[in-house]
Amino acid sequence: AQSVTQLDSQVPVFEEAPVELRCNYSSSVSVYLFWYVQYPNQGLQLLLKYLSGSTLVKGINGFEAEFNKSQTSFHLRKPSVHISDTAEYFCAVIPSGNTPLVFGKGTRLSVIA
Amino acid sequence: SQTIHQWPATLVQPVGSPLSLECTVEGTSNPNLYWYRQAAGRGLQLLFYSIGIDQISSEVPQNLSASRPQDRQFILSSKKLLLSDSGFYLCAWSPGLNSPLHFGNGTRLTVT
Repeated sequence: AQSVTQLDSQVPVFEEAPVELRCNYSSSVSVYLFWYVQYPNQGLQLLLKYLSGSTLVKGINGFEAEFNKSQTSFHLRKPSVHISDTAEYFCAVIPSGNTPLVFGKGTRLSVIA
Repeated sequence: SQTIHQWPATLVQPVGSPLSLECTVEGTSNPNLYWYRQAAGRGLQLLFYSIGIDQISSEVPQNLSASRPQDRQFILSSKKLLLSDSGFYLCAWSPGLNSPLHFGNGTRLTVT
């Protein structure tokens, strides 16, 4: 079965520093990949998605992610974080075929002033 | 544009009481609908999804059930709540299974 691994449960980082949140998925077949952000006591908001085409995907709030098929990874990056980026981030994958989205366990990003 | 409404936002219920959480989508027809539960430190667990009226798939055996009385309405229910049912419940919709999900604002359920 398809699965998603987010290697870090918590990532603290200083304001204006770069950040990378790691995500690996278990399958080497074509997949659709997503990153979502969740602010406290809210639903999830789509940050960016990879469906096909360019492996570097740009999303909202200055985030970007790179699809690496050989390493089965889809890491999320931002060159300079803000306090307002403090949230939980979820990587997700839709395997090929008619199955619902599979989420990772999330990474809590804490931006420190 | 499409919007999703989920209510109530918070709920405190005693053990053994019934549950009904409601979710509606506006601005689209025949959406795929989903219920997820989020427990602390455990990520998002898919509970039910529906690709149409009378088509509801259950992902995890438990004392919860889901119904879709109308095309754009999805209800999560329980006859008797357990302490372990506490969590943050999220409803979502998508145009199809291979599409991004759009989430409601969630319901924080505390079973006491």
